[in-house]
Amino acid sequence: NAGVTQTPKFQVLKTGQSMTLQCAQDMNHEYMSWYRQDPGMGLRLIHYSVGAGITDQGEVPNGYNVSRSTTEDFPLRLLSAAPSQTSVYFCASSYSKYGGRSTDTQYFGPGTRLTVL
Amino acid sequence: TQLLEQSPQFLSIQEGENLTVYCNSSSVFSSLQWYRQEPGEGPVLLVTVVTGGEVKKLKRLTFQFGDARKDSSLHITAAQPGDTGLYLCAGSNIIQGAQKLVFGQGTRLTINP
Repeated sequence: NAGVTQTPKFQVLKTGQSMTLQCAQDMNHEYMSWYRQDPGMGLRLIHYSVGAGITDQGEVPNGYNVSRSTTEDFPLRLLSAAPSQTSVYFCASSYSKYGGRSTDTQYFGPGTRLTVL
Repeated sequence: TQLLEQSPQFLSIQEGENLTVYCNSSSVFSSLQWYRQEPGEGPVLLVTVVTGGEVKKLKRLTFQFGDARKDSSLHITAAQPGDTGLYLCAGSNIIQGAQKLVFGQGTRLTINP
């Protein structure tokens, strides 16, 4: 199993450009999520999905869109990039059947480092 | 909004010394997870503690969950250079039917040979 994969590894955008960060998992996990990691702030939840066709907002959703058409894929779209979105983005997944348990293990991808100029 | 305060944010010590990292909140969590993150990689789960007062050991690492399930600590005995990394605590609850993690700011640990 490849686990959780993310592409691209690095990306530089200009203000106002749009792009999609890709995330895929091959573990048949129901739950997938996107976090951003900024210095001194830990990881903050952007959006999450408890299964195909179901998505919801996390702590910092503004400026980001998601969709979940398959169990395997959970892309994150930046509609109009802003310098405040410069960050490292992590996708995570867990088995979490029927919403999950508080003890579920989150499996993280390697991250995408995004710079918005 | 639930918050987790992690301290210290940076810690640099010599090989063989002991250290403790703290994770504190005013909120109660159903469980508390500790992750370790290497440069250029995503966090990897080390341990989950569930019961108030619970202590778990992972070789030289000892994890404790506070009695009120609002705080946790990570103690490393006889630190080694291989322990160098970013350590993250995360409080976990089920909210609106899904697991939600609240992360601390992280502790960047450097063990000098």
